[in-house]
Amino acid sequence: NAGVTQTPKFQVLKTGQSMTLQCAQDMNHEYMSWYRQDPGMGLRLIHYSVGAGITDQGEVPNGYNVSRSTTEDFPLRLLSAAPSQTSVYFCASRLTGTPERDSGANVLTFGAGSRLTVL
Amino acid sequence: KQEVTQIPAALSVPEGENLVLNCSFTDSAIYNLQWFRQDPGKGLTSLLLIQSSQREQTSGRLNASLDKSSGRSTLYIAASQPGDSATYLCAGRNTGFQKLVFGTGTRLLVSP
Repeated sequence: NAGVTQTPKFQVLKTGQSMTLQCAQDMNHEYMSWYRQDPGMGLRLIHYSVGAGITDQGEVPNGYNVSRSTTEDFPLRLLSAAPSQTSVYFCASRLTGTPERDSGANVLTFGAGSRLTVL
Repeated sequence: KQEVTQIPAALSVPEGENLVLNCSFTDSAIYNLQWFRQDPGKGLTSLLLIQSSQREQTSGRLNASLDKSSGRSTLYIAASQPGDSATYLCAGRNTGFQKLVFGTGTRLLVSP
């Protein structure tokens, strides 16, 4: 049981380049999400998904795309990287049931993070 | 719109002291509140989750409380240790919504 796995851990891009941050979980979690963490601003939600084929925008979705073709994977795509996207990105997942049915429901599990620098 | 605030931003205590970390939220329609720990350069680790129907949760030396009427949650750490040094974040989720809203965290330093 690996939990939430993010790749790559570090990436340097030039302005205008595109790339995909990968996120995979092996816990059969329905809900998956991407956050970015910036100094002084906390974690901000980029996109999230409540199941395969369903995605929705968070607080800061501009410049990012997501898709959810399987329960396990939730990749985050940067379409045309900008210096403002320099950040640490975290993928997180959880069960969507009620605590009465599953004691682990609603507990958000995070990956180790991906540090992205855009020059 | 839910807003979550954590004060102070940093806290330094000597080893062995009991301490309380504070978390305030603006919207009482909170479904649950979760406390996390983050070590430098690492991801977040869930410590405790409190449902809106609960008043507190305990895990070892940690006790988290939730008061919806006052818009406050506290994380109590008993007999602090240097290994407790980390940033502690709280996050709230509103009823009917999927996303968590995070505070900016309290950086705790426990000195030997």
